[in-house]
Amino acid sequence: DTGVSQNPRHKITKRGQNVTFRCDPISEHNRLYWYRQTLGQGPEFLTYFQNEAQLEKSRLLSDRFSAERPKGSFSTLEIQRTEQGDSAMYLCASSLTGATGELFFGEGSRLTVL
Amino acid sequence: GENVEQHPSTLSVQEGDSAVIKCTYSDSASNYFPWYKQELGKRPQLIIDIRSNVGEKKDQRIAVTLNKTAKHFSLHITETQPEDSAVYFCAATGYSGAGSYQLTFGKGTKLSVIP
Repeated sequence: DTGVSQNPRHKITKRGQNVTFRCDPISEHNRLYWYRQTLGQGPEFLTYFQNEAQLEKSRLLSDRFSAERPKGSFSTLEIQRTEQGDSAMYLCASSLTGATGELFFGEGSRLTVL
Repeated sequence: GENVEQHPSTLSVQEGDSAVIKCTYSDSASNYFPWYKQELGKRPQLIIDIRSNVGEKKDQRIAVTLNKTAKHFSLHITETQPEDSAVYFCAATGYSGAGSYQLTFGKGTKLSVIP
């Protein structure tokens, strides 16, 4: 499968623990996005990278969230000191053309914070 | 930043009937309007998109219309089939408020096609 892959697909953690999600984009895509999706809502933009540079972070991304894309390939999203409100599906997407072209989404990483 | 409203939140139609989903947006500078389909437990996938220099676009049973003056756009699905059952999201690319243009999604419409 040459699409966007994310892991783990599911993560259950206790409040206060740190979690990390990984995204492997389509190999030739230089833009990578992280979105958060909660039940009954559309995806909400969190942050995006062009190659290894993180060009924008949403106000939704608190200081407990950090994302990296060290070599312009895969990306990680880390959440420190998780809270119950962090429970959501974290979607990664990649594209060639940015936000005015098709985004290719991964299957998502579902986080449950107990 | 951009604000996208989507209606209805749920829609049930008989197989073979048409379905229409409507969205409005707030940023008059928005210029790209995609529609994504998300089946249960699956990733969102692009089904059709339209740019601001076009009023209508059609792809087989799916069409999208755009009214820039009124700042609204709609998805039309004709001859619905059970496999059309999914959540549909509209989106608009608008200024994020922090230096770039990003997609803002509506809250989604759960379409159920009854056989």
